[in-house]
Amino acid sequence: DAKTTQPPSMDCAEGRAANLPCNHSTISGNEYVYWYRQIHSQGPQYIIHGLKNNETNEMASLIITEDRKSSTLILPHATLRDTAVYYCIVRVLGADSWGKLQFGAGTQVVVTP
Amino acid sequence: EAQVTQNPRYLITVTGKKLTVTCSQNMNHEYMSWYRQDPGLGLRQIYYSMNVEVTDKGDVPEGYKVSRKEKRNFPLILESPSPNQTSLYFCASSFGYTGELFFGEGSRLTVL
Repeated sequence: DAKTTQPPSMDCAEGRAANLPCNHSTISGNEYVYWYRQIHSQGPQYIIHGLKNNETNEMASLIITEDRKSSTLILPHATLRDTAVYYCIVRVLGADSWGKLQFGAGTQVVVTP
Repeated sequence: EAQVTQNPRYLITVTGKKLTVTCSQNMNHEYMSWYRQDPGLGLRQIYYSMNVEVTDKGDVPEGYKVSRKEKRNFPLILESPSPNQTSLYFCASSFGYTGELFFGEGSRLTVL
């Protein structure tokens, strides 16, 4: 089963900030949180990742709670082109399984004019 | 240009006819992986490879084979395709453990 939980959908007005929540309550101490998005049926695109501290890049900001059990992806000024499915994943740890990745169903974000 | 290239992009085949979907990356990434995507089920990992000659099963490996003889290539083999393998397939690669994944454009496979 996927180790993250996300709402199935959310709407956002163009120009407003979109805040996408993700629950990862069973995350281990050195597992990273990654966010990707998928527009239509294109290959998913990397957005941002983090371990403990908040992160920001040109696309988004990632806020991770102090207990690391949840995080929020923030798209500061949503545009119509941000309409996509957003996936929050954690890299599974283990000497022989760090390569395993589990994507959940993601959050369908629709940005409206 | 850094990219992950999959071929073919679209394929219609018949049950039992062996096929290979190729994946090639030009970024010297150690890690490569295959996913399938079906409506309502998100992305599910089929196989992954942490380096040349090192491969392991993901969550849905049944009916698939892979090989990693060269660093840049990671082909997905369907020895005897069945209709339940009709899906959209993605290949991805990254540097090591924390690297961001680069995905290919996808291969839409239909098995009749």
